[in-house]
Amino acid sequence: GQQVMQIPQYQHVQEGEDFTTYCNSSTTLSNIQWYKQRPGGHPVFLIQLVKSGEVKKQKRLTFQFGEAKKNSSLHITATQTTDVGTYFCAPTTSGTYKYIFGTGTRLKVLA
Amino acid sequence: DGGITQSPKYLFRKEGQNVTLSCEQNLNHDAMYWYRQDPGQGLRLIYYSQIVNDFQKGDIAEGYSVSREKKESFPLTVTSAQKNPTAFYLCASSIGATPGHFGDGTRLSIL
Repeated sequence: GQQVMQIPQYQHVQEGEDFTTYCNSSTTLSNIQWYKQRPGGHPVFLIQLVKSGEVKKQKRLTFQFGEAKKNSSLHITATQTTDVGTYFCAPTTSGTYKYIFGTGTRLKVLA
Repeated sequence: DGGITQSPKYLFRKEGQNVTLSCEQNLNHDAMYWYRQDPGQGLRLIYYSQIVNDFQKGDIAEGYSVSREKKESFPLTVTSAQKNPTAFYLCASSIGATPGHFGDGTRLSIL
């Protein structure tokens, strides 16, 4: 079955440093979605990527979908303490509603 | 104000007892999902439902049961067969196959 790995599992950065998390799938994806979960909270939808090679930006966040549609990345420029949380990717495979989340990357930002 | 309501927020289960977690949405979404999250871990899919009166097992359905008699409601029963039920349970809904909305979750503990 489909497997989705995210790396790294944990990342501690100094405030102001950049951060990147990568999501890798064993199969070709239709779409990929990214979520953020604050400690104690529920996942919040951030963005959906659909096209091969697509790049989308949300302020300091840059999302990228690989050319082969098997991987994706989330990059945060100049992290802030408000960026703390766990970032999950969640791919969509055509023809199924079985929606699986990646393993997540937990980000800590040190002030 | 549309959204997903999960209740209760905290739930305690005695040994050998079945408990039911409520999930109600007023977003008119067709699909609904149940996930389990253990401390510091990712989200694992328990059950999902694309339409009323239909549901499918996720990756960890053993010891759980669901029903989907109404579009708005997707209750999850944690049965006594689930030997390690302590976790954070999240309900989500979507129009297509991409959960965009999550409830605030229910934290289940064993007495």
